[in-house]
Order: sequence, then structure tokens, then C-alpha cells
Amino acid sequence: GAGVSQSPSNKVTEKGKDVELRCDPISGHTALYWYRQSLGQGLEFLIYFQGNSAPDKSGLPSDRFSAERTGGSVSTLTIQRTQQEDSAVYLCASSHRGIGEKLFFGSGTQLSVL
Amino acid sequence: AQKVTQAQTEISVVEKEDVTLDCVYETRDTTYYLFWYKQPPSGELVFLIRRNSFDEQNEISGRYSWNFQKSTSSFNFTITASQVVDSAVYFCALSENLGGTYKYIFGTGTRLKVLA
Repeated sequence: GAGVSQSPSNKVTEKGKDVELRCDPISGHTALYWYRQSLGQGLEFLIYFQGNSAPDKSGLPSDRFSAERTGGSVSTLTIQRTQQEDSAVYLCASSHRGIGEKLFFGSGTQLSVL
Repeated sequence: AQKVTQAQTEISVVEKEDVTLDCVYETRDTTYYLFWYKQPPSGELVFLIRRNSFDEQNEISGRYSWNFQKSTSSFNFTITASQVVDSAVYFCALSENLGGTYKYIFGTGTRLKVLA
């Protein structure tokens, strides 16, 4: 597609349920990032995928969070046993590989945990 | 460790005023990139500018200008003759090569409100 696509755009879930957030990066982009943006806050790095290399998971806040990227393209961020503090906008971005490449962001998934 | 500081949480100006958004960064590397992104009320972050650590030339693009000073580790962004459409959250970001990982660290953002 023309841009980074994220789905769903909004997700409301109950505490304790699992959720999956999807990101479709721009075709040909080998780097993919997930960020979390809490209300009125900055962007918190979660995880980074680069081609077939092992992902950089250093930003994942707990073991309830995991992500995968299939075939070097689509990525899914999974949050297990959601908590209210997980409520935030989850942003996905992609880029070409390399230092200094600009990031292209999706519109995000607004996650609300009740 | 990488760090990006945007000390101004929120700025309000009246239309046509000039405004400068500050960004201070920390890095131990000599090769790095700095960015500014705009997040309008619609939510999607939009790339504005990129600067590498070896290019300290200031840049002007229309009403936007950027001042990069390595001596003070700052990369400030000025909007001249601000307009209501400039209202958004602006993020400064730093990227460097950490052993093959190109992690981008974002500041906490500055919310700019331009009042008519």
C-alpha cells in the first residue's frame, strides 16, 4: 500500500483479555518499529525488527508483550492479560534499513482497557 | 545512553508570532541523525526534517527553519509567522547505529497551540 497501515484503529477490551494489533509496513521497508504513546506523553520505544535479524525487544515493558513479524512484512503486537495501564495509542513505523532513514508512521491503534 | 530532551511541554502563541521549539540531545557517538516530526490533531506523525551529525548548516523551508549546534547539542526548530494550522505536537528524535540497531529515541514532545 501507499503508507503504513494499522488495524484496528480502535480497540476496547476488558482487563485480562488478550489483544492483537496489526501493522502493514510500506512495501520494501525492511525496518519496522512499534512505539507506545500514552495520553499526552512522548513515544515509548517497544520493539524493532530489521530484516531477518533477531528483533530488538529491549523496550517491551513486560513479558505480557510480544511481537512477531512474518515474512519480513506484516507485524503483530500481542498483549496478553491486558491491564488498564496498557491503555495507549500503539504506533507502528517502517523505514528502509540504515541509519538516518526517516520513519513513516501509521495512524495508530487506540487501545482502551476497561 | 541516548537521550532527547524537549523541555517545553506546551507553548501558546498568537497567530503571526514566531516561535522556537527547543531540543537538546545526548549521545556518545560521532555519527548520528536528528529529526523533527509533527503530530497534528489527526494523530499521524509526519516527517519534517533530518540532519546528520556532520552537517551543521542551518536549513530553511518556507516558514520553518532549523538551527543545529553540536557545541550545545541542540537542534532547535523555529516557525516564523505561525499559523493556526501549525498547531500540533512536535517531536524531536535522535537516531544512531547501536551495533546494527538503528533505534530512534524521541523526546516527550512540545504541544504548540497557535491562537487566531
